[in-house]
Amino acid sequence: QQQVKQSPQSLIVQKGGISIINCAYENTAFDYFPWYQQFPGKGPALLIAIRPDVSEKKEGRFTISFNKSAKQFSLHIMDSQPGDSATYFCAAAEGTYKYIFGTGTRLKVLA
Amino acid sequence: KAGVTQTPRYLIKTRGQQVTLSCSPISGHRSVSWYQQTPGQGLQFLFEYFSETQRNKGNFPGRFSGRQFSNSRSEMNVSTLELGDSALYLCASSSLRDGRNEQFFGPGTRLTVL
Repeated sequence: QQQVKQSPQSLIVQKGGISIINCAYENTAFDYFPWYQQFPGKGPALLIAIRPDVSEKKEGRFTISFNKSAKQFSLHIMDSQPGDSATYFCAAAEGTYKYIFGTGTRLKVLA
Repeated sequence: KAGVTQTPRYLIKTRGQQVTLSCSPISGHRSVSWYQQTPGQGLQFLFEYFSETQRNKGNFPGRFSGRQFSNSRSEMNVSTLELGDSALYLCASSSLRDGRNEQFFGPGTRLTVL
């Protein structure tokens, strides 16, 4: 019940395309859903986050869509660029400090 | 503001040895969490410290331990190293934003156990 399932494991997108990464959870006590971006040799960096009281949040080319009833949330990267090539992790938090991470999606954007 | 720093960045040890990793959080952050990252398991939560107290612990054996000092710096220790402990160990410090702990990660310590 503490798991966060992330898919796909890897994704290849053409430059300018839309990248979509999905996550699903079981624990309804989760109340914070961040997405992290990680480049090789670096730690994960917070990209965007959402709370379950909203269905969508947009920051620049990055959008989180949240479906509370389905217990699913997704990251959409619009106009994907080669510089977006990285590993993306979704996470879910219960309370203020315990994060459960998805297994990651390796995104490659072709020039 | 300086980010989260972790030392050392790389470490090679042999089975049976012990290791201590260090993390300096962002100035003003009082919460420090540790994660183990491996290709097969992703990021797994080890433990979290706040004001020198461990508030939560993940499902790791007792060989993994940590502590936090009064200046919020944290260390984690792994005793009797096993080959499977080879991983990237990440530290994250947190600040409250909109009532939510926002975690900022360091670059990690790459531990290789031979």
